[in-house]
Amino acid sequence: QVLLQESGPGLVKPSETLSLTCAVSGYSISSGYYWGWIRQPPGKGLEWIASMHHSGSNYYNPSLKSRTTISVDTSKNELSLKMRSVSAADTAVYYCARGLTAGFDFWGQGTMVTVSS
Amino acid sequence: EIVLTQSPGTLSLSPGERATLSCRASQSITNNYLAWYQQKPGQAPRLLIYGASSRATGIPDRFSGSESGTDFTLTISSLEPEDFAVYYCHQYIESPFTFGPGTKVDIK
Repeated sequence: QVLLQESGPGLVKPSETLSLTCAVSGYSISSGYYWGWIRQPPGKGLEWIASMHHSGSNYYNPSLKSRTTISVDTSKNELSLKMRSVSAADTAVYYCARGLTAGFDFWGQGTMVTVSS
Repeated sequence: EIVLTQSPGTLSLSPGERATLSCRASQSITNNYLAWYQQKPGQAPRLLIYGASSRATGIPDRFSGSESGTDFTLTISSLEPEDFAVYYCHQYIESPFTFGPGTKVDIK
């Protein structure tokens, strides 16, 4: 069973950097698949942020690319997301998920991030 | 960017009824790289269908997907109580990989 678990600060101040980690168990990131981040503002729909393959191939949502970095640490079997210069519009539940070429088949439970001073 | 439009916004049905959900793409989706997800309150989305018509592992056969050009359909043949949720379509052929706004299926 593939399990993903997001972690990070629940509260971030405006203009600061949001850092999230996704611990993966039950599957080695280096074995394949893309791994990505998706977010969902309260009461709204889903927005894809970025996806990455352990080989280094990655994709970013152009609307977020300038201030977002996705990375994988195969030694820890973790996926990370950094988002700079956050604002209230970045308040959302952030999900990590496996997959891309056949949909996202495994998801973490999500972590709520609130941007507020 | 491929825009996905879902209809209706809300579908009010009774258990046992058939649900037909629509997703229209703003342009052709090559190889039918379209998925459907189910999301219940407080939970992560669950993959139901990928490749427009292939059921994901463990998904009951009352869920089916089909395609006609740029129109995609998710059908639930007979609604079970656990099927009342929000459903999203998602295209993964072209970055940015986009989701539709969702269709809520609620109990009539």
